Amino acid sequence: EAQVTQNPRYLITVTGKKLTVTCSQNMNHEYMSWYRQDPGLGLRQIYYSMNVEVTDKGDVPEGYKVSRKEKRNFPLILESPSPNQTSLYFCASSHNWVNGYTFGSGTRLTVV
Amino acid sequence: KNEVEQSPQNLTAQEGEFITINCSYSVGISALHWLQQHPGGGIVSLFMLSSGKKKHGRLIATINIQEKHSSLHITASHPRDSAVYICAVILRGGADGLTFGKGTHLIIQP
Repeated sequence: EAQVTQNPRYLITVTGKKLTVTCSQNMNHEYMSWYRQDPGLGLRQIYYSMNVEVTDKGDVPEGYKVSRKEKRNFPLILESPSPNQTSLYFCASSHNWVNGYTFGSGTRLTVV
Repeated sequence: KNEVEQSPQNLTAQEGEFITINCSYSVGISALHWLQQHPGGGIVSLFMLSSGKKKHGRLIATINIQEKHSSLHITASHPRDSAVYICAVILRGGADGLTFGKGTHLIIQP
């Protein structure tokens, strides 16, 4: 089944403790991206990647890192999480950046 | 910076009613997506439009490129259509992915 798999689904952590949210797709898509969703603000793009070793900042990249060492994986790294990074996070992939988006199931992160 | 505006923000209707959700944007785009997000949180892509009209079951999406406007229609609405509907655009000439509207929260009452 074609899918984007995010892990974990839920995570509660403490301020400053490094964490990684994984994202993996099995569709051989070139394009992958990360978004956060907050009440009243909607979805906003954090980082995106056009292909292996090619990444770029979205609208809200501060406090986040990404890497794209393999085509299928695009992990989101929070080196020193803060409470304002409490949010619902989505990973998505696409064959190109125009169409065919598939979203992961989301990761609800709480930083206390 | 492109703005994507959706209306209405919230909509409650009775089962069977014809539903229209609107999306307008301020700059040229390559494509527009309509997404559906159910209460459990998962996001599903409904349509991708670059011109004209698309139909899938009871859902119809239209776009007017000149007027920078798109609509999502639901015919014979059903409680299972209750969800948040999100419009997202791809800016023309840009490879930076989706820019989102804030969503329309739809509730269909039996």
